[in-house]
Amino acid sequence: QQQVKQSPQSLIVQKGGISIINCAYENTAFDYFPWYQQFPGKGPALLIAIRPDVSEKKEGRFTISFNKSAKQFSLHIMDSQPGDSATYFCAASATDSWGKFQFGAGTQVVVTP
Amino acid sequence: DAGVIQSPRHEVTEMGQEVTLRCKPISGHDYLFWYRQTMMRGLELLIYFNNNVPIDDSGMPEDRFSAKMPNASFSTLKIQPSEPRDSAVYFCASRPSGTYNEQFFGPGTRLTVL
Repeated sequence: QQQVKQSPQSLIVQKGGISIINCAYENTAFDYFPWYQQFPGKGPALLIAIRPDVSEKKEGRFTISFNKSAKQFSLHIMDSQPGDSATYFCAASATDSWGKFQFGAGTQVVVTP
Repeated sequence: DAGVIQSPRHEVTEMGQEVTLRCKPISGHDYLFWYRQTMMRGLELLIYFNNNVPIDDSGMPEDRFSAKMPNASFSTLKIQPSEPRDSAVYFCASRPSGTYNEQFFGPGTRLTVL
């Protein structure tokens, strides 16, 4: 049973477009929501993270939107670039979970020139 | 800092052989995680340690898998005997204590069991 559901599975976007990836969760104890970016042949690396006390966090072209009542959060990549082509994972953890992350299934993003 | 170090980076072995994957976490990190990544199942948590003590091994597929952390700077994941369905990329990650700290992943070991 996957505790964090991620969609879509894959995404193709033109250079300059907006990429949107959505995640939903059920466990209301989750209080930390990171997004990881993984390039082929590499390990995942933290991209951006949010806590539930804010509804949005922006870092450069990457924005997390968080809806606590709907138990959903999303990643928006503005002005997508070919270098953004990667697999993106959302994740969630709870304070009492010993730092254990529940990862989504991942979204493969391809940005075409 | 060198980051999380894993070895070997690639391993090709034959079914039935013993495989040992190694991980050196980032110095000072209290938690260590072992993950397996496949196309079909995504990123799966196998086991994790806190201060060298295994906390949760419920993700270990079966008794053929075992993991140890003899000290704060070294961990191993062993598969004995290996099977073709064990072929995957195995990642080690570490993180410091604290609620909102990220996990730092190593480069992974790509295991192929023939």
